[in-house]
This record gives sequence, structure tokens and C-alpha cells, in this order.
Amino acid sequence: GAGVSQTPSNKVTEKGKYVELRCDPISGHTALYWYRQSLGQGPEFLIYFQGTGAADDSGLPNDRFFAVRPEGSVSTLKIQRTERGDSAVYLCASSLLGVVTEAFFGQGTRLTVV
Amino acid sequence: AQTVTQSQPEMSVQEAETVTLSCTYDTSESDYYLFWYKQPPSRQMILVIRQEAYKQQNATENRFSVNFQKAAKSFSLKISDSQLGDAAMYFCAYRSDWGNNNDMRFGAGTRLTVKP
Repeated sequence: GAGVSQTPSNKVTEKGKYVELRCDPISGHTALYWYRQSLGQGPEFLIYFQGTGAADDSGLPNDRFFAVRPEGSVSTLKIQRTERGDSAVYLCASSLLGVVTEAFFGQGTRLTVV
Repeated sequence: AQTVTQSQPEMSVQEAETVTLSCTYDTSESDYYLFWYKQPPSRQMILVIRQEAYKQQNATENRFSVNFQKAAKSFSLKISDSQLGDAAMYFCAYRSDWGNNNDMRFGAGTRLTVKP
């Protein structure tokens, strides 16, 4: 596609439920980033993929959060046993690897846990 | 991990005036990139300007320019002739360039208000 696509754009779920957030990066972009952004705050780093592998997952807050990118393109962020504190906008970005270009962002998924 | 600090939660500028947004960062790396992103209420992050650490010359993009002080680990953004459309959240970002590691971290942001 022309840009980074994130689905769904909005997700409301009940506390304790499982959710999956999807990111379709720009074709050919090997680097993929997930961030969490709370209202009025900067993007908080979660995980960074180079191709299929997670090069840095140090930002995942706990073991309820997990992300995969099995074929090196689409990535899914998975959150188990959701809590109200997980409510935020989840941003995905992609870029070329090893090249001086910016990361291109999707419009995010707004997750609300009720 | 590298940290990025934006010490100004909010800034205000009169239309047509100039404003400077501050950013400092902490790193032990010598090669890296710095970015300023703009985020309007639509949530879409838009690149404003970027700077390669190995370049001494400050980057400029039309009304936007940076003051990059590598020794001081400072990277400020100057917006000249401010326009109403410049109102947004501005984020400073650091991106590693160690091997193939392009890890990227953001500051907490500065909310810019432009007064007509």
C-alpha cells in the first residue's frame, strides 16, 4: 500500500479480554516499530523488528504483551488479559533498514479497555 | 537505552513570529540521527526535519531549521514566520545507527500554540 496501515482504527474491549492490533507496513520496509502513546504524552517504545525478528523488545511492559512478524511484513501486537491501564493509542511505524530515511507512521489504533 | 528529553511541555508563539523548541538527548554512540516530528490532532506523525550526527551543518527545511550541538547533545528546532497550521505537538526523536540497529526513541513532546 501507499502508507502504513493499522487496523482497527478504534477498539473497545472489556477488561480481561484478549486483543490483537494489526500493522501493515510500507512494502519493502524491513524495520518495524510499535509504540504506545497515552494522551498528551510522547510515543513510548514497545518493540522493534528487523525483518522477522525482534531486535529490541525491551519496551514491552510485561508478559501480557507480545508481538509477531512471521513473514517480515505484517505485524500483530497481542495483548492478553487487558487492563484499563492499557488504554492508549498504539502506533506502528516502518522504515528502510540501514538507510537514512525517516520512519513512516500509521494513524494508530485507539484501544479503550472498559 | 538512549533517552530524549523535551523540557518544554507547552510553548506559545504569535503568528509570523519565531519560536524555538528544545531537545536534549543522552547517548554513548557517535553515529545516529535526530528528527523532529509534528503530530496534529489527527494523530498522524509527520516528519518536519532530520539531522545526521556526522554532519556539522545544521539542517534547514524552508521555515524550519535546527541548532545541532553534538558535544552538548542538544537539538533544538526553530520555526520562523509561524503559521496557524504549525500548531501541533512536536516530538524530538533519536535513532541509532549502530550496525543495522535503527532503534528509535522519542521525547515527551512540546505542545505548540500559535496565536493569531
